Amino acid sequence: QQQVKQSPQSLIVQKGGISIINCAYENTAFDYFPWYQQFPGKGPALLIAIRPDVSEKKEGRFTISFNKSAKQFSLHIMDSQPGDSATYFCAAGFDRGSTLGRLYFGRGTQLTVWP
Amino acid sequence: DAGVTQSPTHLIKTRGQQVTLRCSPKSGHDTVSWYQQALGQGPQFIFQYYEEEERQRGNFPDRFSGHQFPNYSSELNVNALLLGDSALYLCASSLAGGSLPILYWNTEAFFGQGTRLTVV
Repeated sequence: QQQVKQSPQSLIVQKGGISIINCAYENTAFDYFPWYQQFPGKGPALLIAIRPDVSEKKEGRFTISFNKSAKQFSLHIMDSQPGDSATYFCAAGFDRGSTLGRLYFGRGTQLTVWP
Repeated sequence: DAGVTQSPTHLIKTRGQQVTLRCSPKSGHDTVSWYQQALGQGPQFIFQYYEEEERQRGNFPDRFSGHQFPNYSSELNVNALLLGDSALYLCASSLAGGSLPILYWNTEAFFGQGTRLTVV
């Protein structure tokens, strides 16, 4: 069973536009929700992460919105740039405990930003 | 400060062979996790090592085994390779806090660039 479901599978946005990627999770015990960016031939790089005690976190052009009751979270990329073209993965995991460190990933979203 | 380094970057093996992949964690990190990323998919958790022991394991067969050394570096071994084992293998490191059995995040997880394994 897919613990984290991500949509859309691919996204095309014009330069300067807003990119929005959505994720939904199953396990209400998850308490750590990171987003990773991956370029071809590279490993995933942590972009931004949120814990469920806040509903929004912003770092530069990247914002995570978190809805605990709906078990959903999303990534918003403002003023999207061609350099943002990459695959984005949402993930969920546990902040503490015996299962610390195990991340459950979504299937990824291929973002293309047209100049 | 070197990040997470993995070797080799690419590898081609024949079905039935065995392979060993290596990972050096980011300086100061003590926990290593391994993931398998099939083409077009998200990474899937294989297992995690802390204090030189396997602490948790994902849904992977016993053909997948690992080791962590006193310097925190780690190896992933895969025996009896199948065509379906072809994937990007990622190592992630982090620093755990607290003490067993309850640990908590001290840092975020950092990934290496991966080893691309092709089984023919």
